[in-house]
Amino acid sequence: KAGVTQTPRYLIKTRGQQVTLSCSPISGHRSVSWYQQTPGQGLQFLFEYFSETQRNKGNFPGRFSGRQFSNSRSEMNVSTLELGDSALYLCASSRPRGDGYTFGSGTRLTVV
Amino acid sequence: GIQVEQSPPDLILQEGANSTLRCNFSDSVNNLQWFHQNPWGQLINLFYIPSGTKQNGRLSATTVATERYSLLYISSSQTTDSGVYFCAVLYNQGGKLIFGQGTELSVKP
Repeated sequence: KAGVTQTPRYLIKTRGQQVTLSCSPISGHRSVSWYQQTPGQGLQFLFEYFSETQRNKGNFPGRFSGRQFSNSRSEMNVSTLELGDSALYLCASSRPRGDGYTFGSGTRLTVV
Repeated sequence: GIQVEQSPPDLILQEGANSTLRCNFSDSVNNLQWFHQNPWGQLINLFYIPSGTKQNGRLSATTVATERYSLLYISSSQTTDSGVYFCAVLYNQGGKLIFGQGTELSVKP
């Protein structure tokens, strides 16, 4: 079965721009969560969506937002990009009461 | 909040050697997973192991939830085992995995 699909794989943006990343979960998985990975901070939780509702949110500024559609696909948006937003963004999906989380290949965002 | 600590932070092995990676966590957890991050950044799920012992080929893992630690064993290591190994715990519910800082493993031929 298809895994978690993230698009695009790589992205270069300029400071001040905004960006939208996409995540398609494994079929049947209704929970999608997002993480940011940087060399300095490691892997940090951004937010989690279940049935189109945000259930949990990490400690990130309001410039980071997300949403989930009825087909469980999720998008995250970062507005007014800063150099420090350069990171690998990973999304994960899981089944209710399932056997853990499966991650996508990530989107590597570079802000210049 | 919950703390997740991994040790050692770095490990260099000769091909064929065995190794043990440790993950300590500071509170009760509902889920614990071990991941291997490949050179392209993807987190590959190795084990979902909130308690007990599991084995998959040369890899095995044990979680002792009452003592708040988990171990990942790699036997007869290969160069393809190189990379960063993360443990992550699910604290309460709501999809929030808390990751350790990882163990960077380098297997030399």
